[in-house]
Amino acid sequence: NAGVTQTPKFRILKIGQSMTLQCTQDMNHNYMYWYRQDPGMGLKLIYYSVGAGITDKGEVPNGYNVSRSTTEDFPLRLELAAPSQTSVYFCASSYTPVEQYFGPGTRLTVT
Amino acid sequence: KNEVEQSPQNLTAQEGEFITINCSYSVGISALHWLQQHPGGGIVSLFMLSSGKKKHGRLIATINIQEKHSSLHITASHPRDSAVYICAAHRYSGGGADGLTFGKGTHLIIQP
Repeated sequence: NAGVTQTPKFRILKIGQSMTLQCTQDMNHNYMYWYRQDPGMGLKLIYYSVGAGITDKGEVPNGYNVSRSTTEDFPLRLELAAPSQTSVYFCASSYTPVEQYFGPGTRLTVT
Repeated sequence: KNEVEQSPQNLTAQEGEFITINCSYSVGISALHWLQQHPGGGIVSLFMLSSGKKKHGRLIATINIQEKHSSLHITASHPRDSAVYICAAHRYSGGGADGLTFGKGTHLIIQP
């Protein structure tokens, strides 16, 4: 199993550009999550999904959108990137809400 | 005050020392998760526990539900243990898929 994979690993965006962070898991997990990690801060939940076709906002959803058309994929869309979205983004998946498996992360810089 | 507090924030020790990282939480939880994040960023699950103690190799995790406190111990520490250790608590009340709250992490450096 590849587990949770994320692409790209690194990206630099200009202010106002858009992009999609990809996340795929091959463990047939229903739960999937997007987090952001800022320096010196704990991970913050952006969006989560409890199954295909079902998504919900987390703690910091503004400026982001998600979709979940399949069990495997949970892309995160950034529209009109802002410097405040400079962060490391982690996707995770799980069979239960507690024991989550994390992807390798995407380091995004918005300048 | 954060719901999950870790201490210390930073810890530098010599190889071979016994390491303790603490996690306190202020909400009722159903489980607590210890994670390890290496330089380069990947996050790996170490332990998930809801009571008592778990051991894996040189790592030991304990939790005291009454005191709302958990500790992660590393015996015979080694430079490869250098990483950020993160505590995450799954809230019991209303703790659905969005119920995991993370501490800020403890940055551990083990010097040879």
